This record gives sequence, structure tokens and C-alpha cells, in this order.
Amino acid sequence: GDSVTQMEGPVTLSEEAFLTINCTYTATGYPSLFWYVQYPGEGLQLLLKATKADDKGSNKGFEATYRKETTSFHLEKGSVQVSDSAVYFCALSVAGGFKTIFGAGTRLFVKA
Amino acid sequence: GAVVSQHPSRVICKSGTSVKIECRSLDFQATTMFWYRQFPKQSLMLMATSNEGSKATYEQGVEKDKFLINHASLTLSTLTVTSAHPEDSSFYICRAGGGGTEAFFGQGTRLTVV
Repeated sequence: GDSVTQMEGPVTLSEEAFLTINCTYTATGYPSLFWYVQYPGEGLQLLLKATKADDKGSNKGFEATYRKETTSFHLEKGSVQVSDSAVYFCALSVAGGFKTIFGAGTRLFVKA
Repeated sequence: GAVVSQHPSRVICKSGTSVKIECRSLDFQATTMFWYRQFPKQSLMLMATSNEGSKATYEQGVEKDKFLINHASLTLSTLTVTSAHPEDSSFYICRAGGGGTEAFFGQGTRLTVV
């Protein structure tokens, strides 16, 4: 079945460090790929998305490129801030619907 | 983005009692509501999908008599955990879709059954 695997956390970085959170997927068909972020005490929010191969999603300095050949959608940011501390979820959906499969989430701590 | 309010954020209940979790869409009409459960360090697992005015569709392995879902209006859906047991302790999250291409999450409810 369809699934998403992302790197285990927690990830601890110093401010201004480079961030990569790996995400790979398995899916039949051509999924859309997403990154969601959950800040402490809040609901999940859509961070960025890509709907086809080679698309790059970007938002708030974060980027991820849909790589069909490696079935990956790694999240990157060039310089993290303390305010980026949160849990990040990689996800996919197929057939254009709301039904979404999530990875386990990766907690990021950014130290000042 | 749109606002989805989930209440309560935390609840502790005694084994054998029932707990109701509410999910409200504050600024849009939620034609579809999803309920997820998340165990520690694990993925969000879809429990059920409901469309306003219809019976919920439950995922395989989810007991519909234990997890009662009501979606009687376009702004409110409820999940009731009946006769709760310690193994029902988990994080429950709702997600509301309004017919567009995006659905929005509630803040989640941490349920602890003692």
C-alpha cells in the first residue's frame, strides 16, 4: 500500500544551520506530496506542496523537490531560526482527494 | 488559512466512561470531516471520513460502535469514544474539508484514560 517514511527525530540544530529532513514515499499512481508543520499547541498547517515530478514547493524559506526517480521529497532550509522549532510531517495524497497518508513526523529543535 | 477549532485540547477520563471531542469549522462549511489518531512517534492514522448528513465511513480495523462520529451540520463534527479503556489513550485530530483542494486541521485532543 501507499506509505511515507521520514527520518526519525528529534533533530537539534543551532540557529542559522542548514536543515534537511528526509522523506521517501511508496505509492501507486502519481501522488501529490506535502509537508505539514505543527507548532506547539497548534494544529497541523500546510507548509508546502508539489503535485508532479520535478516540481519544487517552497514557503517561508523551506523547499522540497518532488523526485520521482528516487521517490523522495526532502525538506530543506538554508538557515533555520528558533521559531522553526516544530514537528514536520511529510505526506502524500493520491487521486486528487483529501485522503492523505502521513509520515510519523520529525521534531525539530532549534537552539539560539 | 481557514480555522478549525477542536475541543477539548486535553482530557483525562476514567476507564469505562465516554468522551466527546468536538471539531468546528469557524469560517467555512466543512462538507467532509476526517478523524485521525496518532500514537507516540507514529504516523497519523485515518480512522474515519464523514460527509455532512451521512454516516461515517470507517477505515478497516476501526470499531464504529466504539468511535461514534456525528457530522450533523456543516460546521460541527463530533467523535465520541465510548466505554474508554487505557488503550484508547492517544492524540486525536480532526481535519475539515470544504469542497476545495485543501483541508484544515484542528489543534488535536490528547486523551488519557486512567
